[in-house]
Amino acid sequence: EIVLTQSPGTLSLSPGERATLSCRASQSVSSSYLAWYQQKPGQAPRLLIYGASSRATGIPDRFSGSGSGTDFTLTISRLEPEDFAVYYCQQYGSPWTFGQGTKVEIK
Amino acid sequence: QVQLVQSGADVKKPGSSVKVSCKASGGTFSNYTINWVRQAPGQGLEWMGRIIPILGIANYAQNFQGRLTITADKSTSTAYMELSSLRSEDTAVYYCASPKGREPCFDYWGQGTLVTVSS
Repeated sequence: EIVLTQSPGTLSLSPGERATLSCRASQSVSSSYLAWYQQKPGQAPRLLIYGASSRATGIPDRFSGSGSGTDFTLTISRLEPEDFAVYYCQQYGSPWTFGQGTKVEIK
Repeated sequence: QVQLVQSGADVKKPGSSVKVSCKASGGTFSNYTINWVRQAPGQGLEWMGRIIPILGIANYAQNFQGRLTITADKSTSTAYMELSSLRSEDTAVYYCASPKGREPCFDYWGQGTLVTVSS
């Protein structure tokens, strides 16, 4: 089973700033089967990025993903008020696993 | 647009079982893969297992082997997740989720079902 470790645990930033979230895998993620989700309180997660760098339908271009192998990054170029949430990475080679999450909070 | 609608919240005694449903609409059910993910209070996401209705084949995460059964009824486009031998640590929101295309990540999510295990 691939273990995903996200850092930092919490990111305190102001609207308009750039957010950089990291996801490191315990072994190489095949075919870049790496996704990012956003979750707000009381809501189901929402898919942002799949295939490490492809935006899901309707996701603004301020969200971008990069990386391969064992190191992946989600970047939010300029934080909007609605972007403050918890973000999870997921690898989707069986079995599927999630990282423990990074909370992006308002500074 | 696919919609996944789950059954309502439930309270169970330790040692009992719970069965949560997930009804799909807006697409061809047999073409879906339905996954189950849970989230304990204040915690992260945990993949539990999945079913491919057209094949009737289910896969389970190792943590749930022997306690989890995932089934699907193609006639009603509904998937089910049954977890047995419940303990307090199983208190969580349970989600069903499904991919949209070839990439087996989760584009569509149900609204979640809170299962509380308490004596």
